[in-house]
Amino acid sequence: GQQLNQSPQSMFIQEGEDVSMNCTSSSIFNTWLWYKQDPGEGPVLLIALYKAGELTSNGRLTAQFGITRKDSFLNISASIPSDVGIYFCAGQRVNTGFQKLVFGTGTRLLVSP
Amino acid sequence: EAQVTQNPRYLITVTGKKLTVTCSQNMNHEYMSWYRQDPGLGLRQIYYSMNVEVTDKGDVPEGYKVSRKEKRNFPLILESPSPNQTSLYFCASSLGTSYWGGSYEQFFGPGTRLTVL
Repeated sequence: GQQLNQSPQSMFIQEGEDVSMNCTSSSIFNTWLWYKQDPGEGPVLLIALYKAGELTSNGRLTAQFGITRKDSFLNISASIPSDVGIYFCAGQRVNTGFQKLVFGTGTRLLVSP
Repeated sequence: EAQVTQNPRYLITVTGKKLTVTCSQNMNHEYMSWYRQDPGLGLRQIYYSMNVEVTDKGDVPEGYKVSRKEKRNFPLILESPSPNQTSLYFCASSLGTSYWGGSYEQFFGPGTRLTVL
């Protein structure tokens, strides 16, 4: 099955720095989702995007649905140690429901105090 | 507390020994799904269920079976496990699948780490 290309694979940053990660696909998606997975836990939904060009914030997190509908970006501002984890993008393919979510390969974020 | 539970959380087994990983949700969700997570590959869907007695294959169904006899439970069955099924498994559930202009959030269980020797 298709996987989404997510980059970077990992990041090691200092507390207070801003972080950017992105997800790209060769095909169009109706919806983009961003999840965070804490160590030893299941993924938790952070932000959902439903329209091309949409920019949505959730606290220090901001995500955008690319105009081409083939990509999405997640930014974290002023990172803190609890931001550590794996971030996944996920897309809902055109013409299918959420039973066919496609996930990205993940970005592992480490934050140094 | 609304949650998705999985058991066991950790399992080490040997090739060919049938096993079942249970998944249960207490949110009256219609949709349930199983994923496996492998390094560098993200989460890949194994099977999903739209409702009781309705199941379908995801992207990587080979070697797995599921059943949905009750709304709250969605067990994952490995009839003859092999080492390439060593992975971290997640069960997820949501109220439905999608609706116009929005979505139903998927809630994930805590994961089951399986090692097949």
